[in-house]
Amino acid sequence: DIQMTQSPSSLSASVGDRVTITCQASQDISNYLNWYQQKPGKAPNLLIYDASNLETGVPSRFSGSGSGTDFTFTISSLQPEDIATYYCQQYDNLPTFGGGTKVEIK
Amino acid sequence: QVQLQESGPGLVKPSETLSLTCAVSGYSISSGYYWGWIRQPPGKGLEWIGSIYHSGSSYYTPSLKSRVTISVDTSKNQFSLQLSSVTAADTAVYYCARVYPGITVAGARFDYWGQGTLVTVSS
Repeated sequence: DIQMTQSPSSLSASVGDRVTITCQASQDISNYLNWYQQKPGKAPNLLIYDASNLETGVPSRFSGSGSGTDFTFTISSLQPEDIATYYCQQYDNLPTFGGGTKVEIK
Repeated sequence: QVQLQESGPGLVKPSETLSLTCAVSGYSISSGYYWGWIRQPPGKGLEWIGSIYHSGSSYYTPSLKSRVTISVDTSKNQFSLQLSSVTAADTAVYYCARVYPGITVAGARFDYWGQGTLVTVSS
């Protein structure tokens, strides 16, 4: 299995702050990396696919970058509605998810 | 609009088989795509269980492979999950999802999800 290590596991930031989450793969996965947002009691929602492509309808304050083993997910200006847990997911081999990052408002 | 809806028992006894169905609307399963199952134990992260192509080719996570079967019924536009010999560790919210194809096996990204259904394993 390809292991995905996300950090931090949780963070607290103020509205308007820039928020960055990292995801590291246990081996080279090219750009086969997606990011999801999950709000409490809801199904995950795809935000970014293929490391840096914004899914249709997703606000432009969300972005992703990286390739190989190291990836970054950024919220350029945190909004109250962004409170959620974020997950990375690789598909270089059979899909696996990172452990998640819970984002809270300070 | 593609919609998915999970259904099945909310309570399963230990050692029995968990069976769930995902009904798809707004898209014909036989038109393509992979169709997958993901689960989430209470308070924990996401775990991919497996995916099936519309033609029937299936892929499973290694840790569950010996207990899992995913099947597709194109006539009913639905696909199903069976997980045998369940224990309390299988208690989770189970999601079905459409899986956008990629150049690798089992599909690339989960672009449409069901709302999820909680399955509790308890006697």
